[in-house]
Amino acid sequence: DAMVIQNPRYQVTQFGKPVTLSCSQTLNHNVMYWYQQKSSQAPKLLFHYYDKDFNNEADTPDNFQSRRPNTSFCFLDIRSPGLGDAAMYLCATSRDQGASAYEQYFGPGTRLTVT
Amino acid sequence: AQKVTQAQTEISVVEKEDVTLDCVYETRDTTYYLFWYKQPPSGELVFLIRRNSFDEQNEISGRYSWNFQKSTSSFNFTITASQVVDSAVYFCALRPVYNQGGKLIFGQGTELSVKP
Repeated sequence: DAMVIQNPRYQVTQFGKPVTLSCSQTLNHNVMYWYQQKSSQAPKLLFHYYDKDFNNEADTPDNFQSRRPNTSFCFLDIRSPGLGDAAMYLCATSRDQGASAYEQYFGPGTRLTVT
Repeated sequence: AQKVTQAQTEISVVEKEDVTLDCVYETRDTTYYLFWYKQPPSGELVFLIRRNSFDEQNEISGRYSWNFQKSTSSFNFTITASQVVDSAVYFCALRPVYNQGGKLIFGQGTELSVKP
């Protein structure tokens, strides 16, 4: 089945130790997103790739970076995680054409713990 | 300003009751999309429905139905004969069309608890 896959599902890292979260998709969607979701809050968009074009949200800290080496994969790098970065990180994909245009499909998320 | 308001933070019902989740949105755009997502305890956001601003027809999918009223800027979601498996957080979201890449503007979410 076509889907959005995130690895790992759970990640524990130490304060200040760089960490990378990965996302892959088999939907062949041209847009990929990274969201941060903290407890009892709505998802907050960090950035997205429209094809190869990177779009950063104005309030996304510099500590968060992303890479999209090809259509299928996208990575979230947290350069120096702080305790406040502990959250669920959700990857999503969408297409901007066709019957399902603009529908975002989410992966299962990676729950990040910072110790 | 673009905003989505889900006034109900938490709702608790007993199985088989009907329940309506409210969603009110604000936008100056004439063309936009509205969505509902379900987030069960496992954490994955599950797409439920997309509705564009030109289509005010109500939609029914099994026990789920949606009532879109442009005049009141509302897009309410009703679950008929609720079941325990419906327990989740439900998010309503808005996406203006003229927005490359498509940022979703989420409401705060409504946590639905269905008790047996």
